[in-house]
Amino acid sequence: SQTIHQWPATLVQPVGSPLSLECTVEGTSNPNLYWYRQAAGRGLQLLFYSVGIGQISSEVPQNLSASRPQDRQFILSSKKLLLSDSGFYLCAWSFTSGNTIYFGEGSWLTVV
Amino acid sequence: DQQVKQNSPSLSVQEGRISILNCDYTNSMFDYFLWYKKYPAEGPTFLISISSIKDKNEDGRFTVFLNKSAKHLSLHIVPSQPGDSAVYFCAASGGNDMRFGAGTRLTVKP
Repeated sequence: SQTIHQWPATLVQPVGSPLSLECTVEGTSNPNLYWYRQAAGRGLQLLFYSVGIGQISSEVPQNLSASRPQDRQFILSSKKLLLSDSGFYLCAWSFTSGNTIYFGEGSWLTVV
Repeated sequence: DQQVKQNSPSLSVQEGRISILNCDYTNSMFDYFLWYKKYPAEGPTFLISISSIKDKNEDGRFTVFLNKSAKHLSLHIVPSQPGDSAVYFCAASGGNDMRFGAGTRLTVKP
């Protein structure tokens, strides 16, 4: 069976500091990978998705970037965090031709 | 640009009764629809889905209805249980695009 893990679960970072959230998927090859952010009243906003190593698509311009150094590893980064980057970040995966997305446990980021 | 809308931010239902959660979408290219359930501080979990070639899909206490002409789908939970209390997100997908609604918080009172 497939599993997804992301870490850290919670993070408190000062404004201007860097960010790295990591996500790995086990039990499948060449998954589609996603980063979402949950914002109050706006549901789940897609930030990035990837259909393969080194292939990243960005949905919205922002202070964040994503990378996929390995097939089942997806990283969300920032060089300098803003207060507005605070939120609940979710990594997710789907089969290459699948319609269903499966989410990780989520990471709470608080920028202070 | 909200292509998927859940117009009711909250819903309260008595245990044993039916819960009906609604969702509307605008993009006619969407061909697959899903419902997710989310507890606080956890990732959403997949609940049930429906393809655009169907108008109903049932799984135990959960039934999803799709009305393509109205671009509307709904999730019925019957009978509702206190453990069903959570935020429910509907989602619509087409190709690599999946959009989520803002969620509806369901509270099932014992």
